[in-house]
Amino acid sequence: NAGVTQTPKFQVLKTGQSMTLQCAQDMNHEYMSWYRQDPGMGLRLIHYSVGAGITDQGEVPNGYNVSRSTTEDFPLRLLSAAPSQTSVYFCASSYRLDIRGGNTIYFGEGSWLTVV
Amino acid sequence: QKEVEQDPGPLSVPEGAIVSLNCTYSNSAFQYFMWYRQYSRKGPELLMYTYSSGNKEDGRFTAQVDKSSKYISLFIRDSQPSDSATYLCAMSGGDSWGKFQFGAGTQVVVTP
Repeated sequence: NAGVTQTPKFQVLKTGQSMTLQCAQDMNHEYMSWYRQDPGMGLRLIHYSVGAGITDQGEVPNGYNVSRSTTEDFPLRLLSAAPSQTSVYFCASSYRLDIRGGNTIYFGEGSWLTVV
Repeated sequence: QKEVEQDPGPLSVPEGAIVSLNCTYSNSAFQYFMWYRQYSRKGPELLMYTYSSGNKEDGRFTAQVDKSSKYISLFIRDSQPSDSATYLCAMSGGDSWGKFQFGAGTQVVVTP
């Protein structure tokens, strides 16, 4: 299993440009999500999905768009990049309950985004 | 007030010492409690998780949950320089399935 795979790992954007961060998981997890991590702010939920065709907003959704057409993929789109979106982005996934009966979340390696 | 509070550190300890980390939370509905380790420029990796109250041990790591006090702890025995990382607590449960709440993370530095 590859787990949760994110691309690209690094990206520099100009203000106003759009781009898509890709996320795929091969664990057949129902739940997928995107977080951003900023110094002193911890992990903040941007959007999440509890299954194909279902998405919902998290804590900081403005400026981002998501879709979930398949169980495996959950891309995050930046519509018009702003310097405030400079951050590290993590995709994560989870079963409703994992095989040990718990509720845990697994992260990708991160995407470092700089908006200039 | 944040739902999960965690001291950001840094916490510096000598090699071989016990590292003690903790988080407090306000939502009594949380049932699942997790600790993640995050190395610089890497994603968080799951260290331990517990369900409801009690202790759980895995090698040098012990996780404790006290739901009555809304307090969770992680202890690392015989700490090694390779334990130097940021440790994040996380929790979920109740009617908020999928909505994990994270602490801000505590930076730990283990000096040889």
